[in-house]
Amino acid sequence: GQNIDQPTEMTATEGAIVQINCTYQTSGFNGLFWYQQHAGEAPTFLSYNVLDGLEEKGRFSSFLSRSKGYSYLLLKELQMKDSASYLCAVKEWVTGGGNKLTFGTGTQLKVEL
Amino acid sequence: DTEVTQTPKHLVMGMTNKKSLKCEQHMGHRAMYWYKQKAKKPPELMFVYSYEKLSINESVPSRFSPECPNSSLLNLHLHALQPEDSALYLCASSQDAGERFGNQPQHFGDGTRLSIL
Repeated sequence: GQNIDQPTEMTATEGAIVQINCTYQTSGFNGLFWYQQHAGEAPTFLSYNVLDGLEEKGRFSSFLSRSKGYSYLLLKELQMKDSASYLCAVKEWVTGGGNKLTFGTGTQLKVEL
Repeated sequence: DTEVTQTPKHLVMGMTNKKSLKCEQHMGHRAMYWYKQKAKKPPELMFVYSYEKLSINESVPSRFSPECPNSSLLNLHLHALQPEDSALYLCASSQDAGERFGNQPQHFGDGTRLSIL
């Protein structure tokens, strides 16, 4: 089984930087994804980490430490449109079944003026 | 707009009805997925199809019956659902569910919002 934890809610100011943490315990780890989901919409892919270290993509960066079972998503120069739920998802290899994605509890980010 | 299309967008049905949810993708992806998402909760995996064969069933009740007629289509047949089955049903696809490595994200449709009366 898997246990994936994120803070439930965070609030930040427009223009600031926010870090959303994710901790996980899993077997068969095969990568970690971050998705953004606006209310009533589909989750959209933000970033992927499979090796330790930092991946940067514009205003978004994601970090992974496999030994610590820890990842974070860093959002810079926050904009109002960044208000959304941010989902950490662990990809697990299932023998005979393929890759399985399990989502964390999600972090609802509110960006204020 | 997403590249994974789901129909219908909304569905209201009674507990004795039979209905189907449809999902279509034309990205050449060979893996397709069904998820269930309750309000303010993350998506929960239900089924995985890899190369048109069911590869993962997350102990989903038999009142949900998936079908993959071809590599572009995925259906979810519904029968005798319960009120607690009301949720957003998301379909997703990825290039391949079989590779052990690779940064292949899953692409999600906008979902079907299902209400059981």
